Amino acid sequence: DSGVTQTPKHLITATGQRVTLRCSPRSGDLSVYWYQQSLDQGLQFLIQYYNGEERAKGNILERFSAQQFPDLHSELNLSSLELGDSALYFCASSVGNRAHEQYFGPGTRLTVT
Amino acid sequence: EDKVVQSPLSLVVHEGDTVTLNCSYEVTNFRSLLWYKQEKKAPTFLFMLTSSGIEKKSGRLSSILDKKELFSILNITATQTGDSAIYLCAALPYTDKLIFGTGTRLQVFP
Repeated sequence: DSGVTQTPKHLITATGQRVTLRCSPRSGDLSVYWYQQSLDQGLQFLIQYYNGEERAKGNILERFSAQQFPDLHSELNLSSLELGDSALYFCASSVGNRAHEQYFGPGTRLTVT
Repeated sequence: EDKVVQSPLSLVVHEGDTVTLNCSYEVTNFRSLLWYKQEKKAPTFLFMLTSSGIEKKSGRLSSILDKKELFSILNITATQTGDSAIYLCAALPYTDKLIFGTGTRLQVFP
């Protein structure tokens, strides 16, 4: 158990809908990273927040957005969902901006039907 | 465009075999190479390699980085069924955005 929690574990929704994935980092960690893992694309970095501020952006679609709250938990919002958005979404956290010391959460499996 | 390529995509071996997993990268401002093991869900960290030619070891696992030829290998000796997993390598540039390969799926049968 890495200490990073993600909810929900599984999510099944229809195309066009909007969902919110939640992540609580390890105690004391200020950075939160979001990743998408699909069968054909592998694990892809989406976005990083550090102490409430966006720090780095990867291949995140405009339909996706994220934020980190004052209590340091983070949410990833996915809207206008398409079949291709079906994937495992991981959150990871680290103490500072030390990307090599990330601890991954168990992931949320999103299925878009 | 930055990329990380792993081979083979899949590997099936018997317990006791030795395996070598490959990872090549083309990444701007490369800093380090990381290896992860992904069993059922979350990737767990194995190694970080920053210097060329220095082997890192943890039990039956070892890894080395060649920064001239831009690749890394992960060796697992005397494999066990518990080694069955997806092994991911990731390049860490100075931007701190990890770039992952698609992974090698290892299956170890008794």
